[in-house]
Amino acid sequence: DSGVTQTPKHLITATGQRVTLRCSPRSGDLSVYWYQQSLDQGLQFLIQYYNGEERAKGNILERFSAQQFPDLHSELNLSSLELGDSALYFCASSPGLAGDTQYFGPGTRLTVL
Amino acid sequence: DQQVKQNSPSLSVQEGRISILNCDYTNSMFDYFLWYKKYPAEGPTFLISISSIKDKNEDGRFTVFLNKSAKHLSLHIVPSQPGDSAVYFCAAPTTSGTYKYIFGTGTRLKVLA
Repeated sequence: DSGVTQTPKHLITATGQRVTLRCSPRSGDLSVYWYQQSLDQGLQFLIQYYNGEERAKGNILERFSAQQFPDLHSELNLSSLELGDSALYFCASSPGLAGDTQYFGPGTRLTVL
Repeated sequence: DQQVKQNSPSLSVQEGRISILNCDYTNSMFDYFLWYKKYPAEGPTFLISISSIKDKNEDGRFTVFLNKSAKHLSLHIVPSQPGDSAVYFCAAPTTSGTYKYIFGTGTRLKVLA
């Protein structure tokens, strides 16, 4: 158990809808990262927050947004969903800014029908 | 920009033998490389790292080798055990700093009993 929790575990929704994925980092970790893993793809880095502020951005679509709250939990919002957004979404956390030691949650499997 | 390639999507090895997983990267400016292991229905977990000041880092049955001139990493598992069956990802820092890591597409290792 990494100490990172993600909810929900599974999510099935329709195209055009909007969903919110939630992540609670390990106790004491200030950084939260979001990744997308599509079929046969590696882990695609989406975005990093550190202590409530956005610190790094990857290949995140404009339809996607994230935030980190004062209690350090984070939410990833996905809107106008398309079939191609079906993927595993992982959240990871680390103590500081550096991403060399990240603890991953179990992921949320999103299926868009 | 950094690219990370794991050209073997899968590998099968007999129990007790050596498993060798390979990873190539494109940008050698940055200095810290990671291997993660992922079991089904779980998030990736950190396995081993190597700094570019070293050619080799060993942790029990796991050894990572770094060939800087070839921009190539390899992970050796000796002896391989059935519990090592998992997907292995290598990761390298991006050109924009160490906050972001680029992950490869992973190699699925199956260790046969």
